[in-house]
Amino acid sequence: DGGITQSPKYLFRKEGQNVTLSCEQNLNHDAMYWYRQDPGQGLRLIYYSQIVNDFQKGDIAEGYSVSREKKESFPLTVTSAQKNPTAFYLCASSIRRGASNQPQHFGDGTRLSIL
Amino acid sequence: AQSVTQLGSHVSVSEGALVLLRCNYSSSVPPYLFWYVQYPNQGLQLLLKYTTGATLVKGINGFEAEFKKSETSFHLTKPSAHMSDAAEYFCAVSIFSGGYQKVTFGTGTKLQVIP
Repeated sequence: DGGITQSPKYLFRKEGQNVTLSCEQNLNHDAMYWYRQDPGQGLRLIYYSQIVNDFQKGDIAEGYSVSREKKESFPLTVTSAQKNPTAFYLCASSIRRGASNQPQHFGDGTRLSIL
Repeated sequence: AQSVTQLGSHVSVSEGALVLLRCNYSSSVPPYLFWYVQYPNQGLQLLLKYTTGATLVKGINGFEAEFKKSETSFHLTKPSAHMSDAAEYFCAVSIFSGGYQKVTFGTGTKLQVIP
């Protein structure tokens, strides 16, 4: 079955440490997204990418970085500059860039906590 | 600019009772509308979507929603609640903006089903 795989499911970060969250999709989707979810705040867009080797900042990109070297993969790095990283992180994809009538497909998320 | 308002962060219904989850939106252009469901520690799953055509949209698990342009609403309903419906529900608005699909999510409504 096609889908989005996020790993790990749980991740702990020490002070001053960078951590990388993995997101892989086998849906052959062009566009990929990273969201942060905090209780009572819905989903907020961190970064998005519509094609390989191109990505754009979302609403809350500070303290995060991404890469898109392959169509299937869109890893997110939470850097030490992100002072409040504790949250649930969701990766999503959609079939075609710019197609606003298409739903987004989501992975099962990574829960990041501070040690 | 667009926004989504979900009235009631928590809704409780008895098993077998009507489920009504409210969503109002604002958008500078005609939007596409989605409802997603999220179970604990999982990603979001698409329940239904409105793109064009019929304003009453049927989704999975017996849910439906009606797009009312004059009221800028897209409320989610189900005639008879089941215990398995207990989850968090997100309304989302999607437009084409700045060359990409911009999706704005509501802050979510947690549905509790009382036996």
